[in-house]
Amino acid sequence: KAGVTQTPRYLIKTRGQQVTLSCSPISGHRSVSWYQQTPGQGLQFLFEYFSETQRNKGNFPGRFSGRQFSNSRSEMNVSTLELGDSALYLCASSLDAREGYNEQFFGPGTRLTVL
Amino acid sequence: GQNIDQPTEMTATEGAIVQINCTYQTSGFNGLFWYQQHAGEAPTFLSYNVLDGLEEKGRFSSFLSRSKGYSYLLLKELQMKDSASYLCAVRDRWEGGSYIPTFGRGTSLIVHP
Repeated sequence: KAGVTQTPRYLIKTRGQQVTLSCSPISGHRSVSWYQQTPGQGLQFLFEYFSETQRNKGNFPGRFSGRQFSNSRSEMNVSTLELGDSALYLCASSLDAREGYNEQFFGPGTRLTVL
Repeated sequence: GQNIDQPTEMTATEGAIVQINCTYQTSGFNGLFWYQQHAGEAPTFLSYNVLDGLEEKGRFSSFLSRSKGYSYLLLKELQMKDSASYLCAVRDRWEGGSYIPTFGRGTSLIVHP
């Protein structure tokens, strides 16, 4: 079974631009979560999608948004990029995050650098 | 709110045993995870504890005390490939009904010969 895939793996943007990152979950997984990882803050939860609906959102500004498609693939978008948005963006999938024991599988991440 | 503390860095010798501690103060609790993350790679699942006690899985063991808000990851017979960051994550149930983990900042373990 193929793992979680994320594209692109590396991205360089300049301040003010916007970016879209993509995540394809493991086949059969319907829950997709996004995280931002930086050296200073560690891994921080952005949002979680299930059946094309955002179920939970972390403490990030509205410049961070996402969506999920009917095939469970998900995208996240960051508008008006700031230098502080430079980070590793990780996607994780699971069968259903509402289930009691529910292991998340992480993708390799997208390394975003904002210049 | 959630507050998860773990040491920033630890060093150990190949073949030795190392214990990585994690303390947490959270508004709710529905399990604790440990992940391993090698530089430039995705976190990979190591262990899950929801009840007090020790869970053993090969060279890795994880302990949980819910009353003390404390967990540790024990790595035995250390190998060079164990050099990585170890993330402690406490899971809680959010408003949308999903279980969302909150991660500590990770402990960077350096294993030397």
